[in-house]
Amino acid sequence: DAMVIQNPRYQVTQFGKPVTLSCSQTLNHNVMYWYQQKSSQAPKLLFHYYDKDFNNEADTPDNFQSRRPNTSFCFLDIRSPGLGDAAMYLCATSGSRKNIQYFGAGTRLSVL
Amino acid sequence: DQQVKQNSPSLSVQEGRISILNCDYTNSMFDYFLWYKKYPAEGPTFLISISSIKDKNEDGRFTVFLNKSAKHLSLHIVPSQPGDSAVYFCAASASYAGGTSYGKLTFGQGTILTVHP
Repeated sequence: DAMVIQNPRYQVTQFGKPVTLSCSQTLNHNVMYWYQQKSSQAPKLLFHYYDKDFNNEADTPDNFQSRRPNTSFCFLDIRSPGLGDAAMYLCATSGSRKNIQYFGAGTRLSVL
Repeated sequence: DQQVKQNSPSLSVQEGRISILNCDYTNSMFDYFLWYKKYPAEGPTFLISISSIKDKNEDGRFTVFLNKSAKHLSLHIVPSQPGDSAVYFCAASASYAGGTSYGKLTFGQGTILTVHP
């Protein structure tokens, strides 16, 4: 089945130690999104790629970076994780029906 | 500034009855609205949507109503089933933005629906 896959499902890192979360998709969608979701809060868009064009949200901290080496893969890099970065990170894609996004199961990040 | 709000953190309903989940928005430029359902340990999945040119959209047991003047939408589930127990997110987008912002969604914080047998 075509889908959006996030790895790992759970990630534990130390305060200040760089971490990379990955997302892959078999939907061949041209748009990929990264969201941060903290407990009982709305998913918050960090950035998205429209093909190779990177679009950062104005309030996304510089600590968060992203790479999209090809259509299928997208990475979220957190350069120096702080305790406040502990959250669920969701990857999503959209294609021809741009308003409808398809989500992966998420990566839950813990920062010790 | 939360542009999409779901004011009820949780809702409990008996199996077979109607579930009504509510959502309010503030941005008048939003013209497309969606509902997503999320089970534990899974990502949100698309459920149903509505364009601002309509006031109702129905898909099986699920109906979404849009009241543009009140900036309010609701999701009705009839009849509710235990398998509907999940977190429901309301989301909105503004297609006017165009370009690479097209399709960008703003989410509410979700409502936990529990359907009791």
